[in-house]
Amino acid sequence: DIQMTQSPSSVSASVGDRVTITCRASQGISSWLAWYQQKPGKAPKVLIYTATSLLSGVPSRFSGSGSGTDFTLTISSLQPEDFATYFCQQTDSFPLTFGGGTKVEIK
Amino acid sequence: QLLLQESGPGLVRPSETLSLTCTVSGGSISSRSYYWDWIRQPPGKGLEWIGSVYYTGNTYYNPSLKSRVTISVDTSNNQFSLNLTAVTAADTALYYCAKTWGWRRPYDYWGQGALVTVSS
Repeated sequence: DIQMTQSPSSVSASVGDRVTITCRASQGISSWLAWYQQKPGKAPKVLIYTATSLLSGVPSRFSGSGSGTDFTLTISSLQPEDFATYFCQQTDSFPLTFGGGTKVEIK
Repeated sequence: QLLLQESGPGLVRPSETLSLTCTVSGGSISSRSYYWDWIRQPPGKGLEWIGSVYYTGNTYYNPSLKSRVTISVDTSNNQFSLNLTAVTAADTALYYCAKTWGWRRPYDYWGQGALVTVSS
């Protein structure tokens, strides 16, 4: 199985801050990586797929980068509605696997 | 707008079988390219992929659960189902059904989740 390691597990930030979350795959997955946002009591919502493609309707302050084993999700200017937990997922091969999550909290 | 809705018992006894159904509305489960998956999330924890089914009936399972899992599709009722046998407390989780729009694509639609507790 491909292990997905996310860091940090939590981050405290203020509105307007730039936030960066990292995801590392245990083996190369090309660009087959997605990022999700999950708010309490809700299902995850996809933000980015194939590492860098922003899903239609997702604010442009979200961006993704990376390929191979190292990936990054960046929120350029944190907004109040962005406080949530973020997960990465590799879609390169079965079994599909997720990172452990990064909780973005209000500072 | 596609909607997915999980249904099934919220409480299952240890050693018994967990059965959930996902009803798809607003679109056809037989649409080519779409895959229909089950994912679970233990309370306060991360996400675990359980398995996937295509409308033809082809399935893919997580090896960690493969001996206990069956996922099937019912195209006439626009549903797909999950059976997980010999459950233990470790199977207590929020179970989501979800859809991808193609091979290697992420989940663009999710159900709201069904909490299943394994307890005597």
